[in-house]
Amino acid sequence: QVQLVQSGAEVKKPGASVKVSCKASGYTFTSYAISWVRQAPGQGPEWMGWISAYNGNIDYAHKFQGRLTMTTDTSTNTAYMELRSLTSDDTALYYCARDGGWLDPWGQGTLVTVSS
Amino acid sequence: DIHMTQSPSSLSASVGDRVTITCRASQSINNFLNWYQQKPGKGPKLLIYGASTLQSGVPSRFSGSGFGTEFTLTISSLQPEDSATYYCQQSHSTPRTFGQGTKLDIK
Repeated sequence: QVQLVQSGAEVKKPGASVKVSCKASGYTFTSYAISWVRQAPGQGPEWMGWISAYNGNIDYAHKFQGRLTMTTDTSTNTAYMELRSLTSDDTALYYCARDGGWLDPWGQGTLVTVSS
Repeated sequence: DIHMTQSPSSLSASVGDRVTITCRASQSINNFLNWYQQKPGKGPKLLIYGASTLQSGVPSRFSGSGFGTEFTLTISSLQPEDSATYYCQQSHSTPRTFGQGTKLDIK
C-alpha cells in the first residue's frame, strides 16, 4: 500500500536547524510531488511548500523562504525538509504528504520541539 | 494568497443527524477544493477531492459539492466515529491554504 514513513521526533535549541526525512513506498515516487505541512499545537495545518519528485521543481510558502530547503533522493524514494534558524514558534508536528493535486496519504508526523 | 473560511468553527450534533460544513474561498478556485478529517493525535485523512469526488474507502454518507468560491461538506447520517475536526484546503494555486477547521462533536 502507499505509505510515507517519517523520521523520529527532534528537540532543538533556538537558532538550530532540523532535517526531517520522509520515505515513500508503494507507488512510483517520481510520479508525484511531496508537500510538507506543519501543525502547531492546537492549530490548523499550514502548508510549507512542495517539491516535484520528478524534476525537483520547488515552491515554498513565502513565510519560509530563506530558511527552508526541500530535497528528494530518487535512489531511496526519500524526501527531506530542512528548516533553519529555529524559534519556539517552529514547535509543531511536521507532516509530509503525497501531492497529486490533493494530499494523500500523509506521513505519521514528526514532532519538532524548539526549546532552550 | 487565497484565504479559506470555514463555518461554523464548531458544532454539536446527534447520531443520525444531517450535518453541513461550509467553506468559502476569497477568490474563485473552480473545483480545486479538498476536504480532510482529523481525529485527535492523528494526521489529516483525505475525504473528498475535486470538491465532490469521494476518496476510495470513505463512507458514502460523506459528500461534497460546490464550485467557484462556495463549497459544502455534508454528512448525511452522523455516526459516532465522525467526531473529528474537518478542514477544507484549496489546491488551485500555491500556497495551498487550509480553512481554520470545524470541530464536530457528537451529542
